Amino acid sequence: AQSVTQLGSHVSVSEGALVLLRCNYSSSVPPYLFWYVQYPNQGLQLLLKYTTGATLVKGINGFEAEFKKSETSFHLTKPSAHMSDAAEYFCAVTTGAGSYQLTFGKGTKLSVIP
Amino acid sequence: DVKVTQSSRYLVKRTGEKVFLECVQDMDHENMFWYRQDPGLGLRLIYFSYDVKMKEKGDIPEGYSVSREKKERFSLILESASTNQTSMYLCASVGPGVVDEQFFGPGTRLTVL
Repeated sequence: AQSVTQLGSHVSVSEGALVLLRCNYSSSVPPYLFWYVQYPNQGLQLLLKYTTGATLVKGINGFEAEFKKSETSFHLTKPSAHMSDAAEYFCAVTTGAGSYQLTFGKGTKLSVIP
Repeated sequence: DVKVTQSSRYLVKRTGEKVFLECVQDMDHENMFWYRQDPGLGLRLIYFSYDVKMKEKGDIPEGYSVSREKKERFSLILESASTNQTSMYLCASVGPGVVDEQFFGPGTRLTVL
């Protein structure tokens, strides 16, 4: 079985400050990891994904995440927050290899303070 | 671009009514999913389908059923709506690659009175 823990249901940062959203996973097999973003009243949109290879993954809107197997983590970062980053962010894991089911974390709502 | 559409953005129903939520995708994806999203609980899988007329229960199937008569369409059915089914419902589809992303519809916010 796999699971995802997102630390902090709400995170507030000042505009221009570093964004760090934490995600830890558990999986009995090598995981495939995703970050999704949900803007108000919209569906989820993929930010980035890790499958194999390079452990630092770059996504859209200046976000990136690093897969750290030893720490079972996949934290999302952005060097400088923008007002438009205010949204809810979800980390998800799948074992891939024909399994298309995702297990989602409970989400982190990011507020950006002007 | 993949497009996943849901029949309604907002829906208000009464307790005991039969409710149909429709989802259509235009990319010939075989796999489709229904989730419900509640504050503090994230997304929870209700049902998924990996082919026409095929369905599998997810984590919270109780009180729901699904129908997949055509590849592009996946319907979620609440046989007798209850107030605890008030929620945001999200549909998603995913392509045939090993780790393709799931594409989500805009969601249907259902209120059961």
